[in-house]
Amino acid sequence: DAGVIQSPRHEVTEMGQEVTLRCKPISGHDYLFWYRQTMMRGLELLIYFNNNVPIDDSGMPEDRFSAKMPNASFSTLKIQPSEPRDSAVYFCASSSSGLAVETQYFGPGTRLLVL
Amino acid sequence: GQNIDQPTEMTATEGAIVQINCTYQTSGFNGLFWYQQHAGEAPTFLSYNVLDGLEEKGRFSSFLSRSKGYSYLLLKELQMKDSASYLCAVETGGFKTIFGAGTRLFVKA
Repeated sequence: DAGVIQSPRHEVTEMGQEVTLRCKPISGHDYLFWYRQTMMRGLELLIYFNNNVPIDDSGMPEDRFSAKMPNASFSTLKIQPSEPRDSAVYFCASSSSGLAVETQYFGPGTRLLVL
Repeated sequence: GQNIDQPTEMTATEGAIVQINCTYQTSGFNGLFWYQQHAGEAPTFLSYNVLDGLEEKGRFSSFLSRSKGYSYLLLKELQMKDSASYLCAVETGGFKTIFGAGTRLFVKA
């Protein structure tokens, strides 16, 4: 299995630009999570989906952030407009209700730097 | 509110035993995870506790006391490759998982 795939792996952009992060979960997994990790705040859950439906978006910091999951194999996290404080590592993770233990499998992350 | 506390950093010697503590106060509890994260990499699953007691898996063991809101991760026969961050995480319900800030472990020769 290829694992969770994220793109791009690195993104450098200027303040005010739109940023789109992409994620392909493990095939057959019905849960998908977006996290943000910074030194100051650690790993924060932004939003998660079950069967492509957003279940909890209470962690999304503000209206500049949006996430979609148009099908079971693809999700996006968009930041528009981006700000320097959005600089972080963004992880996508997936899991399955069919697992004996509800482990989350993380992608390699996207390192975002907003100048 | 949701609160998970772990020490920020720990240092231990190769070959020794180290215990990383985690205390939590969450609105729900389905289980507690420990993840390992090497610098620049993604977190990877180490252990999961649902019931009170000790779960052993090779050199790693994890303990849970639900009544005390307390867990620890025990690493035996430390190796240099164990230098990493260790994240305590609580599944509060419906797959929603809250992570602690992590404990950075430095293993010295």
